[in-house]
Amino acid sequence: AQSVAQPEDQVNVAEGNPLTVKCTYSVSGNPYLFWYVQYPNRGLQFLLKYITGDNLVKGSYGFEAEFNKSQTSFHLKKPSALVSDSALYFCAVRDGNQFYFGTGTSLTVIP
Amino acid sequence: NAGVTQTPKFQVLKTGQSMTLQCAQDMNHNSMYWYRQDPGMGLRLIYYSASEGTTDKGEVPNGYNVSRLNKREFSLRLESAAPSQTSVYFCASNRGGTGELFFGEGSRLTVL
Repeated sequence: AQSVAQPEDQVNVAEGNPLTVKCTYSVSGNPYLFWYVQYPNRGLQFLLKYITGDNLVKGSYGFEAEFNKSQTSFHLKKPSALVSDSALYFCAVRDGNQFYFGTGTSLTVIP
Repeated sequence: NAGVTQTPKFQVLKTGQSMTLQCAQDMNHNSMYWYRQDPGMGLRLIYYSASEGTTDKGEVPNGYNVSRLNKREFSLRLESAAPSQTSVYFCASNRGGTGELFFGEGSRLTVL
């Protein structure tokens, strides 16, 4: 079965510093990978996805993600963190009609 | 655009009571989903409907039933609520193919 893992429950970063939120996946076949963000008491919002093609995917709000097939990773990155980026981030993988989510990483950007 | 709309946003039930969570999407999407979100466990799929007229179990279907009423609407029913069903429930939809999920704002359910 497909699955994703987010090894860090919590990530803290100083405002203006680069941020990385990690995700590894386990799939059979070509992976369809996604990142979502959730602000308090809100639904999940789509950030970006990898289907095929370039390993560096650009998404909303200045976020990007790097697909690495050899390391089975899909880490979310941003060059310069904002306080407003503080939220809960979820990685997901698609398997047919189903989407499987990681347990989430809480990102705190410290002013 | 409304996107995915869930009702109610909040509900408190007593053990054994029943209720239905409603979900509607206005994006003409084929697939619809119900997830529950619990601290430290991420999102877990309860049921999904790949197309109008079909429903399938996800990871945690026990204690729930669903109805795909038409292409727009997908409801989740708790026949006899239990405290273990206290959670935040999210409905989502997807156009199919390589499309992403679109989520509603969630329904927070407390079972006493």
